[in-house]
Amino acid sequence: GQSLEQPSEVTAVEGAIVQINCTYQTSGFYGLSWYQQHDGGAPTFLSYNALDGLEETGRFSSFLSRSDSYGYLLLQELQMKDSASYFCAVRDSSYKLIFGSGTRLLVRP
Amino acid sequence: DTGVSQDPRHKITKRGQNVTFRCDPISEHNRLYWYRQTLGQGPEFLTYFQNEAQLEKSRLLSDRFSAERPKGSFSTLEIQRTEQGDSAMYLCASSSDQRVGGTTEKLFFGSGTQLSVL
Repeated sequence: GQSLEQPSEVTAVEGAIVQINCTYQTSGFYGLSWYQQHDGGAPTFLSYNALDGLEETGRFSSFLSRSDSYGYLLLQELQMKDSASYFCAVRDSSYKLIFGSGTRLLVRP
Repeated sequence: DTGVSQDPRHKITKRGQNVTFRCDPISEHNRLYWYRQTLGQGPEFLTYFQNEAQLEKSRLLSDRFSAERPKGSFSTLEIQRTEQGDSAMYLCASSSDQRVGGTTEKLFFGSGTQLSVL
């Protein structure tokens, strides 16, 4: 089976940097994705890592270490609009994604 | 790209009734997924289609749940004899196996159907 662990809640101030960690256990692994979901909204894709290392997309970066079954999402120059839930998700040998329970990020002024 | 559409947005039903939800994926997407999400939790996988073929169904999914995707276009999710525990947001997502926008791993989600079973 698959399981993912991420912190339930993180608080940071505007302009700061925050890291959201994700550890996973899967029977097969083809990549780690991150999604953002605002209250009442649909999840939206942020990033995908299939190989070890850092992927950067603007203010957001995502890191993967396959040997440690670990990844993180790094958000820089935090803005109030970044307040949302962030989900890590793993793809196994099929094409379905298994999501973690999410990290609620609160950005304070 | 008009996005993934789901209908209805909200559904209130009485326990024991049947309900059906519809999902229209992005037109060129051949993969379609159904997820269920409750408050404070991540989306829970229900089932997945590649074109018209249902390739996987969650082992946690009761026999009361059935999904179809005729002709590989829109999809319907039916819940028979609804129970209060079925109350949740039902999300549909689609993706393509063609490398559009840099990755085939990007799922596009609809806004969901919020089901309340009284």
